[in-house]
Amino acid sequence: GAGVSQTPSNKVTEKGKYVELRCDPISGHTALYWYRQSLGQGPEFLIYFQGTGAADDSGLPNDRFFAVRPEGSVSTLKIQRTERGDSAVYLCASSLRPSMGGSSTDTQYFGPGTRLTVL
Amino acid sequence: DQQVKQNSPSLSVQEGRISILNCDYTNSMFDYFLWYKKYPAEGPTFLISISSIKDKNEDGRFTVFLNKSAKHLSLHIVPSQPGDSAVYFCAASAYSGAGSYQLTFGKGTKLSVIP
Repeated sequence: GAGVSQTPSNKVTEKGKYVELRCDPISGHTALYWYRQSLGQGPEFLIYFQGTGAADDSGLPNDRFFAVRPEGSVSTLKIQRTERGDSAVYLCASSLRPSMGGSSTDTQYFGPGTRLTVL
Repeated sequence: DQQVKQNSPSLSVQEGRISILNCDYTNSMFDYFLWYKKYPAEGPTFLISISSIKDKNEDGRFTVFLNKSAKHLSLHIVPSQPGDSAVYFCAASAYSGAGSYQLTFGKGTKLSVIP
């Protein structure tokens, strides 16, 4: 079946602009995660959705970052007033249920990411 | 402060030999450990995991060892194949208290298997 998809694959924007990044999780997966991977680093947790609600947004770096998942499926990560330091690959992952990571139902499946470049 | 550390940015191994990738962690609240494999322009792919109550988990050519007292885990790949060439991320999971199990990743180790 289809995996996690993310659009666009690449986004180039200018400092100060607004961007939206989209994630389509695997059908039926209730848990959705956003991560950010900067150059030379591992992915860093941003936000977690269980269904429609953001259950844990402790990883969002500041209030310029916001994410929604209005119907419990597709999610959009929104970044206002972008800064050059926001340049990174933004990864989305989904799992059938909240993930401890030990079984097939818990495993987080990642999309290919959106590479955001802020000039 | 990095809670999951992969101190070797890269590793080269001859085809057919064993690859050993290492990972250290500092947070004793981590209760699950995972290895992800990543090819260029793709997202990380789950490889193998281990619960903190175990010390070994094996899946085909891949074995993960956990030493809780040393806060150290390792991934063994034997025999190594050219298709194993990728970046390997060590990740650890802990309940966040807000209903989620965040994954904390290391910086990754780039494995090159030489034919």
